[in-house]
Amino acid sequence: LAKTTQPISMDSYEGQEVNITCSHNNIATNDYITWYQQFPSQGPRFIIQGYKTKVTNEVASLFIPADRKSSTLSLPRVSLSDTAVYYCLVGDSGAGSYQLTFGKGTKLSVIP
Amino acid sequence: NAGVTQTPKFQVLKTGQSMTLQCAQDMNHNSMYWYRQDPGMGLRLIYYSASEGTTDKGEVPNGYNVSRLNKREFSLRLESAAPSQTSVYFCASTTGTRQTQYFGPGTRLLVL
Repeated sequence: LAKTTQPISMDSYEGQEVNITCSHNNIATNDYITWYQQFPSQGPRFIIQGYKTKVTNEVASLFIPADRKSSTLSLPRVSLSDTAVYYCLVGDSGAGSYQLTFGKGTKLSVIP
Repeated sequence: NAGVTQTPKFQVLKTGQSMTLQCAQDMNHNSMYWYRQDPGMGLRLIYYSASEGTTDKGEVPNGYNVSRLNKREFSLRLESAAPSQTSVYFCASTTGTRQTQYFGPGTRLLVL
């Protein structure tokens, strides 16, 4: 399972766009990149997943360069409710299961 | 549709006591997982079940046993609890093929 590196913490003001970058230098060909969000006292929640280029949904955008050695989660116009820990994971499915390896994540604090 | 449910929500044990953490999902998912999360850390995989009738060790299986009772239920047992097992335990499920994992609310366990 590929190892990921992301900043330990970030601060942002309300209404700003936040970009969290994750490094995964040894990503394998079949690996996908997935981001989860975790609020205090709750389980992680899926945000977005991608393989290459750009993926966008109602919550966030995910930018993946051609070499796929990094990815950037973009949260548009954050609010106080976006204060959470964000995890970047890379992995592949195999034999019917999908193991995830969580690092320490990035703690995002949104300031009023 | 409750998603992933876990019981109990909170438990205090004395060293050496045993207990079983229960997890159930109503999404007809094939794969189920047990993680532990220590303060300020990411989640670590204890055991997983790729499909009904199969279980496999994850990153930190020592001191735990699991049972995939049926497709819906996956239990985690601590035979002789130790203070090092004080943690928050999360159960998750997925269809199994590069799909997002859905997490339960967690069980907070304190071993004295």
